[in-house]
Amino acid sequence: EVQVVETGGGLIQPGGSLRLSCAASGFIVSSNYMSWVRQAPGKGLEWVSVIYNGGSTSYADSVKGRFTISRDTSKNTLSLHMSSLRVEDTAIYYCARVDTGWDWGQGTLVTVSP
Amino acid sequence: DIQMTQSPSSLSASVGDRVTITCRASQGISNYLAWYQQKPGKVPKVLIYAASTLQSGVPSRFSGSGSGTDFTLTISSLQPEDVATYYCQKYNSAPLTFGGGTKVEVK
Repeated sequence: EVQVVETGGGLIQPGGSLRLSCAASGFIVSSNYMSWVRQAPGKGLEWVSVIYNGGSTSYADSVKGRFTISRDTSKNTLSLHMSSLRVEDTAIYYCARVDTGWDWGQGTLVTVSP
Repeated sequence: DIQMTQSPSSLSASVGDRVTITCRASQGISNYLAWYQQKPGKVPKVLIYAASTLQSGVPSRFSGSGSGTDFTLTISSLQPEDVATYYCQKYNSAPLTFGGGTKVEVK
């Protein structure tokens, strides 16, 4: 059975850092396109970052230079390291498999507040 | 970057009505287009990928069409459980932009 579980969210002050993790089962993270998507309270879906099966990465302009996507092949996990966090980064962050399967996790809430 | 424009932003229809939502890409994206349904308080769920391929388990009243720049999601007979916000997403290349969403309500 395919499962995607995000962890690591929480309350953080502006300027702080946080690392989100996404544990996958039922498929191999490194063989898939894996993405982070976020949704601010009451707002639409916003794509954040993607890592392709070949390892190349891409970021939304809103997070470029502050967020880093990575994966751990040995643990079959995806991560998002977020630094220089801003109030506007407050959102539910989802880990998602793109292009095949289309599996999403339940999301983890990141709140950036003084 | 390619922009994804959805219309309408909201609609209200009666049970049994045919509902159509459109998504327009500012440049061609072939058929690399997915449609999602997000019910209130729930995780988005893919309905359609590759513009017209129905995801396993999705009711057949949902269908997708289009290629290039113009895409359509159709609900052939609206049901009460279809109340949700629907999003399109391009995935041919980064950025994997979402459309702004269409909120569907039942009259």
